[in-house]
Amino acid sequence: GDSVTQMEGPVTLSEEAFLTINCTYTATGYPSLFWYVQYPGEGLQLLLKATKADDKGSNKGFEATYRKETTSFHLEKGSVQVSDSAVYFCALSDLGNFNKFYFGSGTKLNVKP
Amino acid sequence: EAQVTQNPRYLITVTGKKLTVTCSQNMNHEYMSWYRQDPGLGLRQIYYSMNVEVTDKGDVPEGYKVSRKEKRNFPLILESPSPNQTSLYFCASSSPTGMSYEQYFGPGTRLTVT
Repeated sequence: GDSVTQMEGPVTLSEEAFLTINCTYTATGYPSLFWYVQYPGEGLQLLLKATKADDKGSNKGFEATYRKETTSFHLEKGSVQVSDSAVYFCALSDLGNFNKFYFGSGTKLNVKP
Repeated sequence: EAQVTQNPRYLITVTGKKLTVTCSQNMNHEYMSWYRQDPGLGLRQIYYSMNVEVTDKGDVPEGYKVSRKEKRNFPLILESPSPNQTSLYFCASSSPTGMSYEQYFGPGTRLTVT
């Protein structure tokens, strides 16, 4: 079945450091891929998405590229800020079943000033 | 303001006492879902609904019920809660956007069953 695997956290970085959070997926169809962010005490918010191979999603300085050959969707940001501290979830939805979303276990990011 | 609301936000209850967590969305979305979030497990889908009176099981439906009598509301019912249902619950509604569906999440309900 479909699944998402992302790197375990927590990830601790200093402000202005480069961020990478790895995400790989398994899917039988043609999934869309997402990154969601969860700030403390809040629900999940869509950060970015990509719907087909080689698409690059981007938002708020974050980027991720849909790599079909490596089944990956790694999240990157060139210079993190303290305000980026949150939990990040990689997710996929199967084109054949839009209501099925599969989430990774989440990666907590701590950014220190 | 477009939003998904859940009530209550926090609930402490005892084993076996029936409870309902309400979920409402004002975006006229057809699709709604319930998830539970547990440490190390991410979000797991409990139930989802494709439209009024159309619901289906997700990955962890045992011990839960749902109903969809109106498009905007999708309550989650625990008829006999047990301690292993202590969790953080999220409701979400979905909108088709191009080739994919984007989910909008509520703020969460933290449930403790003693």
